[in-house]
Amino acid sequence: QQQVKQSPQSLIVQKGGIPIINCAYENTAFDYFPWYQQFPGKGPALLIAIRPDVSEKKEGRFTISFNKSAKQFSLHIMDSQPGDSATYFCAASKGYDYKLSFGAGTTVTVRA
Amino acid sequence: EADIYQTPRYLVIGTGKKITLECSQTMGHDKMYWYQQDPGMELHLIHYSYGVNSTEKGDLSSESTVSRIRTEHFPLTLESARPSHTSQYLCATSHGELFFGEGSRLTVL
Repeated sequence: QQQVKQSPQSLIVQKGGIPIINCAYENTAFDYFPWYQQFPGKGPALLIAIRPDVSEKKEGRFTISFNKSAKQFSLHIMDSQPGDSATYFCAASKGYDYKLSFGAGTTVTVRA
Repeated sequence: EADIYQTPRYLVIGTGKKITLECSQTMGHDKMYWYQQDPGMELHLIHYSYGVNSTEKGDLSSESTVSRIRTEHFPLTLESARPSHTSQYLCATSHGELFFGEGSRLTVL
């Protein structure tokens, strides 16, 4: 049973556009929601993470929006650049054990 | 920055062979994990360890086994590889966040 559902599977934007990736979860015990960025041939790397006590978090051009009542969270990439082209995974876990449940990933292509 | 080393990076073997995927880390982190990743699919936790002599199975059933005799090493073994084991295997450690290695891509013919 997939605990975190991610959409879309892929998206293409022009440079400067704002790709938005959405995730939904069922387990209300989840309290840690990270996003990972993965380039081909590399392992995933933590991009940004949020806990449910805040509704939004920004780090550089990356923003997480979190809606606890809807059990949804999303990633926005502001002023996207070709170097942002990668696969992005949302994930969730409870506590600090980092046994993460991952979404299926979104391949983002930013065209110059 | 985490230093996690996985070897081999790529492995192509025949059915029935025994293989061991190595994972080592230099940070002294107690918690280590193995995730399995197939193209277009979510990562699945298959094994984890909270310290020496501690190993547990993850959410996805796997025929692989792991050991944790030393803090730095967390090898994964398949006694008899099959084509269904073809996948990418990612090792990770955690300390405030989860750090991944670059993965071992296994192909079983």
